[in-house]
Amino acid sequence: KQEVTQIPAALSVPEGENLVLNCSFTDSAIYNLQWFRQDPGKGLTSLLLIQSSQREQTSGRLNASLDKSSGRSTLYIAASQPGDSATYLCAVGGNTPLVFGKGTRLSVIA
Amino acid sequence: DAGVIQSPRHEVTEMGQEVTLRCKPISGHNSLFWYRQTMMRGLELLIYFNNNVPIDDSGMPEDRFSAKMPNASFSTLKIQPSEPRDSAVYFCASSLVRGGGTGELFFGEGSRLTVL
Repeated sequence: KQEVTQIPAALSVPEGENLVLNCSFTDSAIYNLQWFRQDPGKGLTSLLLIQSSQREQTSGRLNASLDKSSGRSTLYIAASQPGDSATYLCAVGGNTPLVFGKGTRLSVIA
Repeated sequence: DAGVIQSPRHEVTEMGQEVTLRCKPISGHNSLFWYRQTMMRGLELLIYFNNNVPIDDSGMPEDRFSAKMPNASFSTLKIQPSEPRDSAVYFCASSLVRGGGTGELFFGEGSRLTVL
């Protein structure tokens, strides 16, 4: 059974810092990995989707990498801004639907 | 282009009452997912449909929960009778699946259920 872990559970950084969020999964037989952002009281917004054949995806200040063999993914956020404050969730898709981590709650302090 | 639409956004009900949550997936998507989110357990898959057919309902907690997808543009999640431990945010998501896997999921804003 796939298990997804995100560490740390919470992170606070000053504005302008580059930061990395981590995601690990136990079963490397995946089709894809998806990173989401969730603001309080809101739904999940898809940030990046990495297919199992890809190593990374980029969108603006965000870069996500995937290492299937080690069961890891990272989300890199460059030049963080207060508007980046949210919970970031990693989800792994295999033959069954997405399995989610518990998320990392990010606070970017102005 | 409209995203996934859920209703109601908020529902407060008393224990024992029937609750029906509704979802309209993104047009053209062929898979639909119901998830439940709580502080303790995070996001849990309840059931998912492919081409309107339920594929896996092993996440449905009890017989009190049921879900239907009568057509490609509408799904319901029903709880009857409701209990206080059902209080959570229920999310619907949809995707376009081609080949293996479940595609890129797009979520609705969720329905926050409070059972008193």
